Amino acid sequence: GENVEQHPSTLSVQEGDSAVIKCTYSDSASNYFPWYKQELGKRPQLIIDIRSNVGEKKDQRIAVTLNKTAKHFSLHITETQPEDSAVYFCAASWGSGYSTLTFGKGTMLLVSP
Amino acid sequence: EAQVTQNPRYLITVTGKKLTVTCSQNMNHEYMSWYRQDPGLGLRQIYYSMNVEVTDKGDVPEGYKVSRKEKRNFPLILESPSPNQTSLYFCASSPRLAASTDTQYFGPGTRLTVL
Repeated sequence: GENVEQHPSTLSVQEGDSAVIKCTYSDSASNYFPWYKQELGKRPQLIIDIRSNVGEKKDQRIAVTLNKTAKHFSLHITETQPEDSAVYFCAASWGSGYSTLTFGKGTMLLVSP
Repeated sequence: EAQVTQNPRYLITVTGKKLTVTCSQNMNHEYMSWYRQDPGLGLRQIYYSMNVEVTDKGDVPEGYKVSRKEKRNFPLILESPSPNQTSLYFCASSPRLAASTDTQYFGPGTRLTVL
């Protein structure tokens, strides 16, 4: 099955700095890579995703890049704000159209004012 | 309001006492799934269902059962809970069969403690 490694496990930045979280996956058949944000005590929520036919996707201050050759993808947050503080999970799907998402173990991002 | 609901939200029980955590969605989603979340281990899938009467094991199915008799409901059953099943449980649903490429909507979570 798929295995997803996520780094770092914790990340502390100053407000306004950029933050980068990296994930690697094992199954070259994986073709869908979402990122979820989980604030303290709340449920995970999708913030951005990318599919294997796209190398980069942006949504305001958030971007995700995908390198299929190297089997890794990254989340980039620019101009971080205290409300970005949360746990971020990457995930990968080996999808043949259905089944499972395999999640990374999460990165706790702390943005200090 | 479109949502995924879980009940109970908090449960403390004892080893061996059967319990059921309910999950319901009102979005007519075909795909539903259960995850457990443990510190340092992230979200791990327990079971998933692609449609009524169609279920399959995820990564950590041991000690759990599920059923999907109706499209909207996907209960998680622990026949004989053990302390290692103490965890935070999330139900999730997704619109289509191609759930791997669709946003999963998570329920609010159920914090289970097994003594």
